[in-house]
Parts: sequence; C-alpha cells; structure tokens
Amino acid sequence: NAGVTQTPKFQVLKTGQSMTLQCAQDMNHEYMSWYRQDPGMGLRLIHYSVGAGITDQGEVPNGYNVSRSTTEDFPLRLLSAAPSQTSVYFCASSYSPSVGTDTQYFGPGTRLTVL
Amino acid sequence: AQSVTQLDSHVSVSEGTPVLLRCNYSSSYSPSLFWYVQHPNKGLQLLLKYTSAATLVKGINGFEAEFKKSETSFHLTKPSAHMSDAAEYFCVVNSNTGNQFYFGTGTSLTVIP
Repeated sequence: NAGVTQTPKFQVLKTGQSMTLQCAQDMNHEYMSWYRQDPGMGLRLIHYSVGAGITDQGEVPNGYNVSRSTTEDFPLRLLSAAPSQTSVYFCASSYSPSVGTDTQYFGPGTRLTVL
Repeated sequence: AQSVTQLDSHVSVSEGTPVLLRCNYSSSYSPSLFWYVQHPNKGLQLLLKYTSAATLVKGINGFEAEFKKSETSFHLTKPSAHMSDAAEYFCVVNSNTGNQFYFGTGTSLTVIP
C-alpha cells in the first residue's frame, strides 16, 4: 500500500492563479479530509468527505473547493490564490465514514507559497 | 463548542528524563481524544487515542495518556525521553458528529543529549 499520497510536494503560485492539489489513497477509506497547517495554529480542517459524492465544509473552507468522484481521490482546488493561502496542506483519510474513534492517516503534505 | 488547549508551546527535556505534554479539552459531550506526532517535514502519525474505554491509554514508542474527566485533561507522558522523540505533538478532539477534528496548537518537544 502506498497509503495517502499528495502531489505536488512544493508549489509556488502568483496571486490570482488557480491550481489543484491532488490527494489519493489506496486503502479503500470512506473518509477523506484536507487540512492547512500554519505556524502556531495547529491544523485546521478545510473540507471533508464521508464517501464518494459527499463533501462538507470544515472550519476554514473559504477560497477552496473540493469534489469526491471516486473513493480513492479527493482533490483540493484553489480558484484564485491569495497570499493568505500560503500554508502547508495535508490530506488525511480514515476507514469509517463516522470517524469519531477512527485513526486518521496523513499524507506527506504540500507546501504552497502564494506571491 | 469543542476545543483543545495545549498548555505549553515548547517543552525541553534531557535524554532519559520523563516527558509531560499537557492538554486540556472542552466538550459538551463524551469526546474521543487523540495525540498525534509530527516529525520535521513529515506527515502526522497517531500516537494513541481515547475512545471511552480505559482511561489510561497506552500508545506507540512508550507513550501513554490518561483521560481525566474531572480535570478535563488528557496529558501525554513518557517515562524516559529518547532523542528520536524530538518532534511536534498535537492533541486532537473530535466533534459531536464525529466527522470533524479540532487540533491544538501543538507542543514542540526538544530532547537534550
């Protein structure tokens, strides 16, 4: 198993550009999520999905879109990048769609800089 | 609303001495609580979790934590620090729906040789 994979590892964007951060898992997990990590703030949930075709907003969804067309993939889209979106982004997955007690498996992260 | 507070942003210990990382939680329901570790430039890995069973939870690499409802705490301990324990540690609580997680701001652990 590759686990949770994320691409790219690093990305530099200019303000106003769009891009998609890719996330894939090969563990047949129902639940997938995106977090951003900023210094001194821990990880904050952006969006999550409890199964293919189902997505919902987390704490900080503004400026980001997601979709879940397959169980394996959960891409995160930045439609018009802003400097405030400079961060490290982590994708995570877990087996159960109700994840109250479930272990989350994290990808290695994508470091995004918006100039 | 649910939240966690990590009381120390940075902890420094000598190798071979005990480790204590403090976490208090706020929740209107019976929460599940987790500790995750993040080594430099890596993703996060689960250390241990409390899910309303035994209040003393043992995790990987010799770590353990005790859920104390009366004190709303879930402190992480290890009897003897190792150099490889140097990392960032996050305390996490789940939402009442179970579909969202709330992270503390993290505690950076330094181990001095």
